[in-house]
Amino acid sequence: QQKVQQSPESLTVSEGAMASLNCTFSDRSSDNFRWYRQHSGKGLEVLVSIFSDGEKEEGSFTAHLNRASLHVFLHIREPQPSDSALYLCAVSGGDSGYNKLTFGKGTVLLVSP
Amino acid sequence: EAAVTQSPRNKVAVTGGKVTLSCNQTNNHNNMYWYRQDTGHGLRLIHYSYGAGSTEKGDIPDGYKASRPSQENFSLILELATPSQTSVYFCASGKGTSAETLYFGSGTRLTVL
Repeated sequence: QQKVQQSPESLTVSEGAMASLNCTFSDRSSDNFRWYRQHSGKGLEVLVSIFSDGEKEEGSFTAHLNRASLHVFLHIREPQPSDSALYLCAVSGGDSGYNKLTFGKGTVLLVSP
Repeated sequence: EAAVTQSPRNKVAVTGGKVTLSCNQTNNHNNMYWYRQDTGHGLRLIHYSYGAGSTEKGDIPDGYKASRPSQENFSLILELATPSQTSVYFCASGKGTSAETLYFGSGTRLTVL
């Protein structure tokens, strides 16, 4: 069964400094990776989707996938206080099937002014 | 972006009572999903559907039923609610392709007393 772990559990960065979040997964045959953001009390907002090794940029968000090492990273360029939220990594595909997303527990990001 | 609407936003129920959570999507997506989010567990899949009339068990289906009477509507039913079902429930929809992105509603906070 797919296992998805995120680190760190919480991260504080200063406004404008790069924020880097890590996600590891267990099924190397997975081929769908997404990062979601959830502001307190709100629903999930998709930030970036990536399906092959390498990088994918969406605005200030860049996902970096390395399936050999079972890692997918999210880099946030010049984060603002409004980017303070819970960030969730979601993985699907491979043995689990494309439509069964497995989520990590998330990283709480705090961006200080 | 897909519009997914959940109702109610908040619900308080008594142990042993019946609870129905409703979800409506307006973008003609084939797939719909119900997740619950709990501290320490992240989001976990309860039931999902490939289209009207279809329901499938997710990873934690026990104690829940689902109903998909139409393309737009997907309900989650707790026949005999228990305090362990106190959680935040999210509905999501997706196109039904291998690269689908899920779009989430704003969530229903359920408290079972």
